[in-house]
Amino acid sequence: GNSVTQMEGPVTLSEEAFLTINCTYTATGYPSLFWYVQYPGEGLQLLLKATKADDKGSNKGFEATYRKETTSFHLEKGSVQVSDSAVYFCALANSGYALNFGKGTSLLVTP
Amino acid sequence: DAGVTQSPTHLIKTRGQQVTLRCSPKSGHDTVSWYQQALGQGPQFIFQYYEEEERQRGNFPDRFSGHQFPNYSSELNVNALLLGDSALYLCASSPRLAGLQETQYFGPGTRLLVL
Repeated sequence: GNSVTQMEGPVTLSEEAFLTINCTYTATGYPSLFWYVQYPGEGLQLLLKATKADDKGSNKGFEATYRKETTSFHLEKGSVQVSDSAVYFCALANSGYALNFGKGTSLLVTP
Repeated sequence: DAGVTQSPTHLIKTRGQQVTLRCSPKSGHDTVSWYQQALGQGPQFIFQYYEEEERQRGNFPDRFSGHQFPNYSSELNVNALLLGDSALYLCASSPRLAGLQETQYFGPGTRLLVL
């Protein structure tokens, strides 16, 4: 079946530090991969996506590359800000349209 | 352009009761999916509606049922509530014909507490 595993948090970084949140997946075929972000008390917002191998999704300074050989979609940002504090979810869509989410990684950025 | 809207925002029920949650999709979207997000967990897919029919279902019991109306809005019904049904219920919409790569847009959710 389809599944997503992401690194457990919480992750605490100082402002301007480099961020990596690891995500690996299990799926047959060629899923689409997503990163969603959830700010406190809010619903999910799409951060970026990639629909085929070697695609790089990017948005607001965040990047992730779809690596089929390692079944990974790690999220990176070169310099985090306090406003990036949120919970980040890696997800995939394969057969049908259901999204399969990881458990989420909480990020806290301190000034 | 209104995004996905959900009502109510919060709800408190007692065990054994029934609850109905509502969702209006983003303009131009015809497919609605429902997810359950327990505290500290990722969302879990409940089911998806398109053309007023349930098209795909996750691993949830029959106590969870839904409906889609001709205007594409949707309801999620949960019968015989259990304490474990306490969660944030998220609605997401997308245009069906766009395929897997199309983004699902999420609403703010309804937080259900079962006492």
